[in-house]
Amino acid sequence: GAGVSQTPSNKVTEKGKYVELRCDPISGHTALYWYRQSLGQGPEFLIYFQGTGAADDSGLPNDRFFAVRPEGSVSTLKIQRTERGDSAVYLCASSPAGTAYNEQFFGPGTRLTVL
Amino acid sequence: GENVEQHPSTLSVQEGDSAVIKCTYSDSASNYFPWYKQELGKRPQLIIDIRSNVGEKKDQRIAVTLNKTAKHFSLHITETQPEDSAVYFCAARVTGGGNKLTFGTGTQLKVEL
Repeated sequence: GAGVSQTPSNKVTEKGKYVELRCDPISGHTALYWYRQSLGQGPEFLIYFQGTGAADDSGLPNDRFFAVRPEGSVSTLKIQRTERGDSAVYLCASSPAGTAYNEQFFGPGTRLTVL
Repeated sequence: GENVEQHPSTLSVQEGDSAVIKCTYSDSASNYFPWYKQELGKRPQLIIDIRSNVGEKKDQRIAVTLNKTAKHFSLHITETQPEDSAVYFCAARVTGGGNKLTFGTGTQLKVEL
């Protein structure tokens, strides 16, 4: 149906709180990616799922960040003990398969603000 | 890891003129180079991409060139229109480096009437 969707579109939280960001990929897309985009910068890779498993989590900045995709569709990015430096737009993307040349379709992002 | 540099950071052109945005990459194993357009508050959208076995690709007013020896690639937009105004990002993917894209820092293109 529609493209990649993300909820919430905006999230404001206080320093130290826990947040969850959700991504609904395009139906049938097996590959799912999370990126983080700070103001004036390009998207920065966080983690990549192929199916249910994290194929590459080398971009997660530290152990406060964790992501899951239990049924190979919806994914949740979880951030513990949020810090002001976590404020950014978190983008999710999906592609038909985890191959080199498949287009990554991006969602609208979740703007996270940590006060 | 891969590092992608993008220039210029801002570019202003008159409607109808051409615009060129340049990127360089560091890892010679990179084999896929997409370009994304991002309008204010919107999601990035792929506008064109090129694989490492091709030197040039064109799609209507948009073209991309790749120089593997010099490790740089460029986006060319001809006959610019006001709706071309947006931020453009180049990206690179490394062979065997998973499927993650490494993005440049973006170019704010403004097409003036």
